Order: sequence, then C-alpha cells, then structure tokens
Amino acid sequence: DIQMTQSPSLLSASVGDRVTLSCKASQNIYKYLNWYQQKLGEAPKLLIYYTNSLQTGIPSRFSGSGSGTDYTLTISSLQPEDVATYFCQQYNSWWTFGGGTKLELK
Amino acid sequence: QVQLKESGPGLVQPSQTLSLTCTVSGFSLTSNSVHWVRQPPGKGLEWVGAIWSGGSTDYNSALKSRLSISRDTSKSQVFLKMNSLQTEDTAIYFCTSGTGPFAYWGQGTLVTVSS
Repeated sequence: DIQMTQSPSLLSASVGDRVTLSCKASQNIYKYLNWYQQKLGEAPKLLIYYTNSLQTGIPSRFSGSGSGTDYTLTISSLQPEDVATYFCQQYNSWWTFGGGTKLELK
Repeated sequence: QVQLKESGPGLVQPSQTLSLTCTVSGFSLTSNSVHWVRQPPGKGLEWVGAIWSGGSTDYNSALKSRLSISRDTSKSQVFLKMNSLQTEDTAIYFCTSGTGPFAYWGQGTLVTVSS
C-alpha cells in the first residue's frame, strides 16, 4: 500500500502569509495527487486534483505542484477562511490519504 | 445539482453489523461510482470501498473480510454493510463520488460502536 506523509501536522501563520504544505508518498504516484480542505464539522472539499488542476470555484490563491513522491499545496496569501485541516490523497494505486495538516492563524 | 446523503443508526453494539445507506441525486449510479470514506473522530481519512458504474466493487484490503457494498439503481441508493464491528470502527462515514478526485461528498454520519 502507498503511504502518504504530510508535514507539518500543525502550521500557524498570519493573514497575508504565503503558506506551503507538504505531502510525501512512499513511492512514485505519477502526479495522481489531490488536495482537500476540511473545516470543522464539514465534509472534505476538493481543492486541487492531479497535482495542479484547480477545482471549479476554488480561489486562485490555492495552487499545487510536485512530481514523483513529493508534492506541495501553496496558499499565496492566507485568508481567515482558510483555517482548516488539509489532506492530500493519492489515487495512483487505490486511494490513500495523508494524516493532514491543521492550519491555524497566528 | 449533485447531492449525496448518508443515513443509518448512530449507535451499534460491538460485534454487530453496521448498515448504512447513501442516497444520491443529480447523477446516475449506472454512470458514476460511489465510494465510502470514514474518519475516526479527530483523525484522518480512510478509504473504505467503492461500487463502480457497472456494479463491480472494490474494498480496502484491511476491511475486505467484513465489508459489503451494494446498490439499488432504481432508488439511487448505495448500501454499506460491515460486520463484526469493534470500537475502532467508530467514525464519521462519508459517501462520495468520483473516480479519483472526490468532488462530491455527503455530510457524513457518525457511527459509534459501544455497548
């Protein structure tokens, strides 16, 4: 099974900061990588699919990049409504999620 | 628009069987797959299994021996049955649609395994 490791597990940042979240796969997942945002008490929301494709309706401050085993989600200018937990998910072989990065305001 | 909604008992006794229903609207089960994902309280997400547009199924290897997913296309419903429940099966169970990226999610239903 492919394991997904996210870092950091907790990230504190200020409004307006550029924020980078990391996700590492245990083997090459050929860019089959999605990012989700989950706010407290809600279902996950798809932000980015296939590494860098922005889901419809998602603000352009969110972007994704990566290849092979290493992937990142970047928020160019953090907004208060971005406080949430972010999960990466691989779908190269079945589906596995990372443990999440909780993003809070400093 | 696409909607999914989970329903089922909130409380299940240990060793008993869990039965959940996902009712969908806005798309056809014969054209789209439905997956189940679960999330223990305060923890991460785990893919449970899927039923494909043709009716075939795939299951998480760790749960396969206890799991069954089926559907009733006439009612736009997908069913999850998991037997021999233990406390570690306590989680929010979501149904979601998609073949890789899961774009549509239900609200989730909390299942607590406790006597």
